[in-house]
Amino acid sequence: DAGVIQSPRHEVTEMGQEVTLRCKPISGHDYLFWYRQTMMRGLELLIYFNNNVPIDDSGMPEDRFSAKMPNASFSTLKIQPSEPRDSAVYFCASSRDRLMNTEAFFGQGTRLTVV
Amino acid sequence: KQEVTQIPAALSVPEGENLVLNCSFTDSAIYNLQWFRQDPGKGLTSLLLIQSSQREQTSGRLNASLDKSSGRSTLYIAASQPGDSATYLCAVRPTGGTSYGKLTFGQGTILTVHP
Repeated sequence: DAGVIQSPRHEVTEMGQEVTLRCKPISGHDYLFWYRQTMMRGLELLIYFNNNVPIDDSGMPEDRFSAKMPNASFSTLKIQPSEPRDSAVYFCASSRDRLMNTEAFFGQGTRLTVV
Repeated sequence: KQEVTQIPAALSVPEGENLVLNCSFTDSAIYNLQWFRQDPGKGLTSLLLIQSSQREQTSGRLNASLDKSSGRSTLYIAASQPGDSATYLCAVRPTGGTSYGKLTFGQGTILTVHP
């Protein structure tokens, strides 16, 4: 398997624009996670899905953020409208069910810069 | 609320030294603990996963131990090499309920190994 695949790798956008980040988890993984990494706050969990259903979105900072998982092989994280403070690296990760090896695997991340 | 602390924040050693990275967590009700490596501008690479019932895991020159009752884990790196230079992160996963997916990360230890 190619691992967790994220796109784009880099995104530069102007304040107020809509940004969509994409993730393809490892095939067969039941859990998908979206994390944000900044120097100040480290890695923060934004939301996670189990079997395509959002389980906990308490980490989503504001209503400007939304995430979807329309099927087992694809998820999006959308920011609308974007603000400079949203600049960070956004990671997607996936893992298998808790009854199996639950090692989490991360994608390479999307570096978002909002100017 | 689970809090994960890593000590030291940064470590610089000459090549060949054995070293220990520390991770502590406040809530011992964990399902597992995972150590990751992150190279600059890259994603997270899983190094070792320790289930809550295990005491240690080994992979090559890496050995991770877990003392769940005291809320501590250590990552031991034997015969360090310049290629080991990276940020090392530990993360804990809680036992159940909707918190299961909340992999909580420490702030990381930045390791530099000098030739």
